[in-house]
Amino acid sequence: GAVVSQHPSWVICKSGTSVKIECRSLDFQATTMFWYRQFPKQSLMLMATSNEGSKATYEQGVEKDKFLINHASLTLSTLTVTSAHPEDSSFYICSARRPGPAKNIQYFGAGTRLSVL
Amino acid sequence: GQQLNQSPQSMFIQEGEDVSMNCTSSSIFNTWLWYKQDPGEGPVLLIALYKAGELTSNGRLTAQFGITRKDSFLNISASIPSDVGIYFCAGLYSGGSNYKLTFGKGTLLTVNP
Repeated sequence: GAVVSQHPSWVICKSGTSVKIECRSLDFQATTMFWYRQFPKQSLMLMATSNEGSKATYEQGVEKDKFLINHASLTLSTLTVTSAHPEDSSFYICSARRPGPAKNIQYFGAGTRLSVL
Repeated sequence: GQQLNQSPQSMFIQEGEDVSMNCTSSSIFNTWLWYKQDPGEGPVLLIALYKAGELTSNGRLTAQFGITRKDSFLNISASIPSDVGIYFCAGLYSGGSNYKLTFGKGTLLTVNP
């Protein structure tokens, strides 16, 4: 079964509003979670690395004031798309890095389809 | 930065045929991962490889970690319609405080019944 839960799976919002996406690790504590964006027929593009208890690390070209990340607990990271515009419409996917013997593996959520009208 | 070349970009095969796809890199990795993504879903881990030369199977899937640590392949035997999807390789370099996962561009697999 799924080890990473992402919610919502689909959201439609008006331009100018903010949208929050949640990512939860279900059966392990994740000190590190990741947020990706995926355009149609393309690979995953890392947006930021979310570290529990500290500030997220953003990839070059990703606006941190636009994409707010909070990793307040070892099982929850949130991505808030602030003042969303149509160009923010995309498929957003989170992942969590599993500790222990398989610590290098990232498990992914099911993704969130964001449509900004 | 690190680049992964994944090939082929797409494949159209008949049910029952075997499939092979591979990834090569300009840099070494210490872990190779293979994921499958269905439309509208997140990637699902298929196989993880941790050591150079390692050959690992998961049902009809077999993957190998290249000896040079710069390449990996995934084979699917006796394909079935539900194998349809996008397959991504991902190379991971981790050491100390460094941790970076690099994805290939994906191989779109279509299986004709």
